[in-house]
Amino acid sequence: DSGVTQTPKHLITATGQRVTLRCSPRSGDLSVYWYQQSLDQGLQFLIQYYNGEERAKGNILERFSAQQFPDLHSELNLSSLELGDSALYFCASSVGPGQNYNEQFFGPGTRLTVL
Amino acid sequence: GDSVTQMEGPVTLSEEAFLTINCTYTATGYPSLFWYVQYPGEGLQLLLKATKADDKGSNKGFEATYRKETTSFHLEKGSVQVSDSAVYFCALSNAGGTSYGKLTFGQGTILTVHP
Repeated sequence: DSGVTQTPKHLITATGQRVTLRCSPRSGDLSVYWYQQSLDQGLQFLIQYYNGEERAKGNILERFSAQQFPDLHSELNLSSLELGDSALYFCASSVGPGQNYNEQFFGPGTRLTVL
Repeated sequence: GDSVTQMEGPVTLSEEAFLTINCTYTATGYPSLFWYVQYPGEGLQLLLKATKADDKGSNKGFEATYRKETTSFHLEKGSVQVSDSAVYFCALSNAGGTSYGKLTFGQGTILTVHP
């Protein structure tokens, strides 16, 4: 158990819909990262927050957005869903703002299926 | 940009065989290098890491040495067990520029160990 929690574990929805994925980081961690794992793209970085502020953006679509709340939990919002958005979405947390030596601890993931 | 290339998989071995999974990287500056493991239905777990050239990371019998001259971080284990069956990801983290410590992953290598 990494200490990072993600809900829900599974999500099945239809094209065009909007969903929210939730992540709670390990106690004491201030950074939250979101990654998408799909068969064709592999594991890709989406976005990072540190202590409530966006710090880095990766290959995140404009239909996707995220935020980190004062209690440090984070939410990833996916809207106008398409079939290609079906993937495993991971949240990870780390202590600092993004030093390269910091270990990231991963949650169990949310499996999103868009029908 | 930064990139990681892993050997093509899947890899199938008999128990007690020697394992090597090749990993090479392209990055500016001085990245940290990681091996993560993903067991079926679970999130990623850090297996080992190395933060500077010539460092050797080791854990649970697995080893990898950070070779800056060959830009490589190959994973090795002298005697694999059935319980090592999983997907292995090589990754780098580069705090330079706008990276802020995000992980860049290789495509993953599926390892299956037979009794």
